[in-house]
Amino acid sequence: EAQVTQNPRYLITVTGKKLTVTCSQNMNHEYMSWYRQDPGLGLRQIYYSMNVEVTDKGDVPEGYKVSRKEKRNFPLILESPSPNQTSLYFCASTARSRGYRPPEQFFGPGTRLTVL
Amino acid sequence: GQQLNQSPQSMFIQEGEDVSMNCTSSSIFNTWLWYKQDPGEGPVLLIALYKAGELTSNGRLTAQFGITRKDSFLNISASIPSDVGIYFCAGQPLVQGAQKLVFGQGTRLTINP
Repeated sequence: EAQVTQNPRYLITVTGKKLTVTCSQNMNHEYMSWYRQDPGLGLRQIYYSMNVEVTDKGDVPEGYKVSRKEKRNFPLILESPSPNQTSLYFCASTARSRGYRPPEQFFGPGTRLTVL
Repeated sequence: GQQLNQSPQSMFIQEGEDVSMNCTSSSIFNTWLWYKQDPGEGPVLLIALYKAGELTSNGRLTAQFGITRKDSFLNISASIPSDVGIYFCAGQPLVQGAQKLVFGQGTRLTINP
């Protein structure tokens, strides 16, 4: 089954304790993204990756890091989490565009993070 | 960055009623997308619009890409309980690649049986 998986689904941590949220896709997609979802703000892009070893900042990258060492995995790293990073996080993957129509983004199930 | 204004933010309707929501932007978008998010799940694509003026249906859902390329609406006819959820519009800016999507704030739909 084609899917995007995230782990963990729920995480409660304390300020300053480094954490990693993993994301994996089995569709051989080139593009992957991380979003955060906050009430009243919709989804905002944190980082994206166009292929292995190619990453770039989205709209809200501060306080986050990513890496893309393998095509299927795109972990999100919070080196020193703070309470304002309490949010619902989504990973998404997309195939390479072939034509003028952008391909569909597939979203993972989400990771609810609470930073105390 | 670019922003989409989605309205209304929430809707409380009776089962069987029609629903309408829309998104507007100060910028031109190349593509408009409508997603639905069920509780505990990630967003799932409902309808994609690629040309100004395009009107597309998916079952009881109908969406249109505005002529000015700065707005879009989504209509749901004869709502049923499984329509409950959060609906997001998303736009792909004119000069960005497939990775760049700008999302609206979402419309939370609640249906009274």
